[in-house]
Amino acid sequence: DIQMTQSPSSLSASVGDRVTITCRASQGIFNYLAWYQQKPGKVPKLLIYGASTLQSGVPSRFSGSGSGTNFALTISSLQPEDVATYYCQKYISAPVTFGQGTRLEIK
Amino acid sequence: EVQLVESGGGLIQPGRSLRLSCAASGFTFDDFAMHWVRQAPGKGLEWVSGISWNSGTIAYADSVKGRFTISRDNAKNSLYLQMNSLRAEDTALYYCVKSRDLLYDAFDIWGQGTMVTVSS
Repeated sequence: DIQMTQSPSSLSASVGDRVTITCRASQGIFNYLAWYQQKPGKVPKLLIYGASTLQSGVPSRFSGSGSGTNFALTISSLQPEDVATYYCQKYISAPVTFGQGTRLEIK
Repeated sequence: EVQLVESGGGLIQPGRSLRLSCAASGFTFDDFAMHWVRQAPGKGLEWVSGISWNSGTIAYADSVKGRFTISRDNAKNSLYLQMNSLRAEDTALYYCVKSRDLLYDAFDIWGQGTMVTVSS
């Protein structure tokens, strides 16, 4: 099975900072990669699919990049409401696999 | 409004069975694949199972294969998860999730979840 490894596992940054979370697949997955945001006590929310396509309604400060095995989620200017855990997900085939999550906090 | 509402969770003893249901509304249910995703308390997301729009393709995580059965009734706009031989490690919040389109696609709509606690 293809494993998804996110880094870092946790991150603390200041408001206005540029933040990048990475996700590595153990095998190539083309661009079958999504990113989700889960705020504390809330349901996960789709941010990006196809590695770089922004889901409707998601602020443009979020962006995704990469293909094959290396991917990144970037927040161009961190806002207080971005405090959450972020997950990558590969969906090229079963089993669908999520990364272990990256907890993002405000410094 | 697009909505997924899960039900059927609760406290259940190890080895027993439970059936989860998910009622969909606000979209054409039989156009989309659907999934179950679970999250153990304080842990990350784990995909459980997925089913194509016409039930023609079904997939399971290894952790539940042979014990769980996913199904859907398009006439009732409903998704189900029959869970047999439950174990303590199945304790989690179970989300009903809609695929953007195909079975292997991103998940664009999530329900609020139903909690399953397996304990004696």
